[in-house]
Amino acid sequence: NAGVMQNPRHLVRRRGQEARLRCSPMKGHSHVYWYRQLPEEGLKFMVYLQKENIIDESGMPKERFSAEFPKEGPSILRIQQVVRGDSAAYFCASSPRLVIHEQFFGPGTRLTVL
Amino acid sequence: AQTVTQSQPEMSVQEAETVTLSCTYDTSESDYYLFWYKQPPSRQMILVIRQEAYKQQNATENRFSVNFQKAAKSFSLKISDSQLGDAAMYFCAYRSPSGNTPLVFGKGTRLSVIA
Repeated sequence: NAGVMQNPRHLVRRRGQEARLRCSPMKGHSHVYWYRQLPEEGLKFMVYLQKENIIDESGMPKERFSAEFPKEGPSILRIQQVVRGDSAAYFCASSPRLVIHEQFFGPGTRLTVL
Repeated sequence: AQTVTQSQPEMSVQEAETVTLSCTYDTSESDYYLFWYKQPPSRQMILVIRQEAYKQQNATENRFSVNFQKAAKSFSLKISDSQLGDAAMYFCAYRSPSGNTPLVFGKGTRLSVIA
């Protein structure tokens, strides 16, 4: 059973461009979480999605950021018109339908904005 | 809202010795889950150990154990017989039991292991 997959692992964008980060949860997992880790900081929750639904987006900036988890395909975190402050590592985690204790993390995408 | 505090930005330990990483948290909930995650230079988040608040017994996983003090809202991680591969960032995390809730992380402790 493959783990949580994220791609790309590294992404470089210039200011004003768009960044698309992809997350494929573990097989059988229908809950996806996105976290952001700024340099020398812990992970901060951004958004929680189930298939085709955003459940909690309280940690996501209101502007320029959006997320989706379609019925088919990976979850996408989209950042429009990136700025230098968006440079960070973005982690995806997944958990199955049933409420269990832990979340399983992907390897992260490191976004660098030039 | 829950908060997690790790008061030690950096720690170091001699190989084969024991080290304890501190974590405190603030919550009004009576039931919850606590975790320690390890983040090596690869940046992969690896679950080290978890504790359910309703369990009085401290969790143990091989060389890793916790000291869970519910009244004090303290959740420290003890690493015994430290190995070079233990060098990493360690994050303490809290999770509410209600539904599939997100994790709340502390800022982390960077552990160095000295040969």
